[in-house]
Amino acid sequence: GQQVMQIPQYQHVQEGEDFTTYCNSSTTLSNIQWYKQRPGGHPVFLIQLVKSGEVKKQKRLTFQFGEAKKNSSLHITATQTTDVGTYFCGNAGGTSYGKLTFGQGTILTVHP
Amino acid sequence: GAVVSQHPSWVICKSGTSVKIECRSLDFQATTMFWYRQFPKQSLMLMATSNEGSKATYEQGVEKDKFLINHASLTLSTLTVTSAHPEDSSFYICSARVGLNSPLHFGNGTRLTVT
Repeated sequence: GQQVMQIPQYQHVQEGEDFTTYCNSSTTLSNIQWYKQRPGGHPVFLIQLVKSGEVKKQKRLTFQFGEAKKNSSLHITATQTTDVGTYFCGNAGGTSYGKLTFGQGTILTVHP
Repeated sequence: GAVVSQHPSWVICKSGTSVKIECRSLDFQATTMFWYRQFPKQSLMLMATSNEGSKATYEQGVEKDKFLINHASLTLSTLTVTSAHPEDSSFYICSARVGLNSPLHFGNGTRLTVT
């Protein structure tokens, strides 16, 4: 997969506040996948975006893929303590192996 | 859903010994599995792609002789950390996908501590 940069590295919010993490690439991406890793756990798949300008929602989570397919975002509305964890974006390259390269991740802390 | 089982969950070994970690796809066949390494509060670093019936493909900077990967069947890949040293202490996670365009399913990971 291609290198993706993710910001911010850390985000502290009060419960009820919104949260957004961004994933950027200097080159066009074939797809973006988002994963969540709870503290002490393993990454769990959230969603995959493949189309230019695509927007998908999962309850309080909104995922966007940029028109140029070079950036993506994950927005959480009204965070809850259960949202705590690290959110990773990743790109599965177009090779036959389809290996997934992850961004640096954003560690979200939600204060009750 | 697709389940990936990884064993052991944690292991403590002495410096110089070798440790084998198993990764199994329980309800699907995986011709390709991926091994990642993760340091505390850092991202997942892809180490290698494990291919059933052939040699693994290692990422740049990963020592092939240090991290031996064997993909013996369509449901089992193993990672052996040979002659382990304290700097090899880390969280190792395997993953697999049902099909080329499907998401990755991760094992629970193995926390390796080398004393």
